[in-house]
Amino acid sequence: DIQMTQSPSSLSASVGDRVTITCRASQGISNYLAWYQQTPGNAPKLLMYAASTLQSGVPSRFSGSGSGTDFTLTISGLQPEDVATYYCQKYNSVPWTFGQGTKVEIK
Amino acid sequence: QVQLQESGPGLVRPSQTLSLTCNVSGGSINTSGYYWSWIRQHPGKGLEWIGLIYYTGSTYFDPSLKSRSSISVDTSKNQFSLRLNSVTAADTAVYYCASNSRPGDWYFDLWGRGTLVTVSS
Repeated sequence: DIQMTQSPSSLSASVGDRVTITCRASQGISNYLAWYQQTPGNAPKLLMYAASTLQSGVPSRFSGSGSGTDFTLTISGLQPEDVATYYCQKYNSVPWTFGQGTKVEIK
Repeated sequence: QVQLQESGPGLVRPSQTLSLTCNVSGGSINTSGYYWSWIRQHPGKGLEWIGLIYYTGSTYFDPSLKSRSSISVDTSKNQFSLRLNSVTAADTAVYYCASNSRPGDWYFDLWGRGTLVTVSS
């Protein structure tokens, strides 16, 4: 089965910083990748699908890129409300696997 | 719009069976193109996909849980259910039901609020 590895596992950045999270698949998954944001005590929220398509209602400071095995989620201008854990998920085939998560905090 | 809501016991004894139900409102579960999943999250940990059921009754599971898991659908009640056998403390987690809102999509833009299940004697 394909494994998803995120890096870093956590990061701390200042408000307004550009933040990049990486997700790597152990085998190629084309662009079948989604990103989720989870704030404490809440269910995950879909941010991005097809690697780079922004879900409706998600701020444009979020962007995604990549194809094959390497993907990135970028927050251009970190805001306090972006404090959360971010997960990637591959969905090219079952089993649908998540990365282990990246916790984003404000410095 | 479609909403999902989990229900079931919050406490399960070790070696027993965990049973949860997800009620689907605002749309029919018996519709082509929608995949109804269970996902869990151990305390302080990441997300783990358990499995899914399609409206036809076809099911798919993560290999690590396949031997202990079953998912069923009750179209008359617009619900789908998870059963996890022979539970241990390692099955203590928040369990989410999730699905797609657009037919054919394989990612989750619909989530329940989650329900905490504790396995303890």
